[in-house]
Amino acid sequence: RKEVEQDPGPFNVPEGATVAFNCTYSNSASQSFFWYRQDCRKEPKLLMSVYSSGNEDGRFTAQLNRASQYISLLIRDSKLSDSATYLCVVNSGNQFYFGTGTSLTVIP
Amino acid sequence: DAGVTQSPTHLIKTRGQHVTLRCSPISGHKSVSWYQQVLGQGPQFIFQYYEKEERGRGNFPDRFSARQFPNYSSELNVNALLLGDSALYLCASSLGGALYYGYTFGSGTRLTVV
Repeated sequence: RKEVEQDPGPFNVPEGATVAFNCTYSNSASQSFFWYRQDCRKEPKLLMSVYSSGNEDGRFTAQLNRASQYISLLIRDSKLSDSATYLCVVNSGNQFYFGTGTSLTVIP
Repeated sequence: DAGVTQSPTHLIKTRGQHVTLRCSPISGHKSVSWYQQVLGQGPQFIFQYYEKEERGRGNFPDRFSARQFPNYSSELNVNALLLGDSALYLCASSLGGALYYGYTFGSGTRLTVV
């Protein structure tokens, strides 16, 4: 079983839509969780950390459900510039495991 | 401030050759990790170094090796290259608390093995 699993999409949504991505992880002892954004042929960039209580950064909301071992990312009022691949990242011991990424295209 | 810098940006090698990739972390960052990203996949962990010591190793063959220098820069070496080694190799650095703050990635070295 993979450490981290994501729906690869693609998600194609109109501007202004709300879109949610989920990611499940296998190691219940995982302590830290992140969402990264990766543009085509570029490096991943940290979007936000995910805290147990959930956290929000502008139009982005991240949540963690330890009981069900999944994390989520909600993007409200989607912009064209949100088009990218979103990677969830979970630590296991000293290693960070990346999901395969979920592709988002925001359509005018 | 300079981010994580990697060199070279692109590289073409022949099967069986050896390659060395280089990484300079953000100033003050003591932890460096290497990842391999194959097209269409998420980055796969190769190595982590902290204070010049190997702190973690992913599921990669012994053809892959790395080291960290006193100035915290790092090299990734791959011997006996295979076609399947073609990928984007990413270096990431952190202050040491990656568990809480995550990593900052360099723009990567795109390796093509022919």
